[in-house]
Amino acid sequence: DSGVTQTPKHLITATGQRVTLRCSPRSGDLSVYWYQQSLDQGLQFLIQYYNGEERAKGNILERFSAQQFPDLHSELNLSSLELGDSALYFCASSGRGTNEKLFFGSGTQLSVL
Amino acid sequence: SQKIEQNSEALNIQEGKTATLTCNYTNYSPAYLQWYRQDPGRGPVFLLLIRENEKEKRKERLKVTFDTTLKQSLFHITASQPADSATYLCALDESGGYQKVTFGTGTKLQVIP
Repeated sequence: DSGVTQTPKHLITATGQRVTLRCSPRSGDLSVYWYQQSLDQGLQFLIQYYNGEERAKGNILERFSAQQFPDLHSELNLSSLELGDSALYFCASSGRGTNEKLFFGSGTQLSVL
Repeated sequence: SQKIEQNSEALNIQEGKTATLTCNYTNYSPAYLQWYRQDPGRGPVFLLLIRENEKEKRKERLKVTFDTTLKQSLFHITASQPADSATYLCALDESGGYQKVTFGTGTKLQVIP
C-alpha cells in the first residue's frame, strides 16, 4: 500500500459529461501529481501541485482542470468528455524535496462510452 | 523538452540471467533519474534513484548506472526470476527542479522459467 488513495476506482460515463477524480496524498506529502495512461501513449504527465499551488504543467487539455485543497487532497476535473479520454488516471505524491521519489495510487479507470 | 527513450519492444530472458534495460534521454542531463516497476493495471512503484554525480547505485539484485556523457541510464536485474516480469519505467525531472517528472514508455520484461 503506497498510502496514496484515489477514488473512484472505476468510472463509466458518456461523451459530453463531466467527472471528478479525487486523490489523497500520503500523510505529510505536499506534492501531488496527475498522470494519464492509455495503451498507446504511456504515462503522460498532466499537472503537479505543491502545497496548494500549481508548480508544473504538462500537455493537459483545456477541458481538464485540477486543484489542490488546503488539506492537500487534490481533484482532477474532466469535462466535455470524449471517447479518447478513456484511460487510467494516476495520482502520485512526494515529499518536500526536489529529488523525491513518487508514490502512486492505484488509479481511476475512466471509460467514456 | 526532454525526450526519454526506452526500448519499447518486450525483453524476454531466461530465469537466472541478467536483464539489462536501457533509458536514453535528449537535451540536458537531469539532476537525477529514477526507475519504477509497473504491473498491469497498477500504479508504478519506485525502485531506485541515481543522481548525476553517481555512476552506479545498487539495491539487492538491482543495479543502475548513469552516464551523463552518453545521456543514458542502464538498469540491471541480476539472477532474474519470473516474479521480476513487469514493465520498467525510467523517469526524470525535465523542468530542472520544478518536479515535472516525465516517464519513458517503459520496457516490458518477461522472465521465462
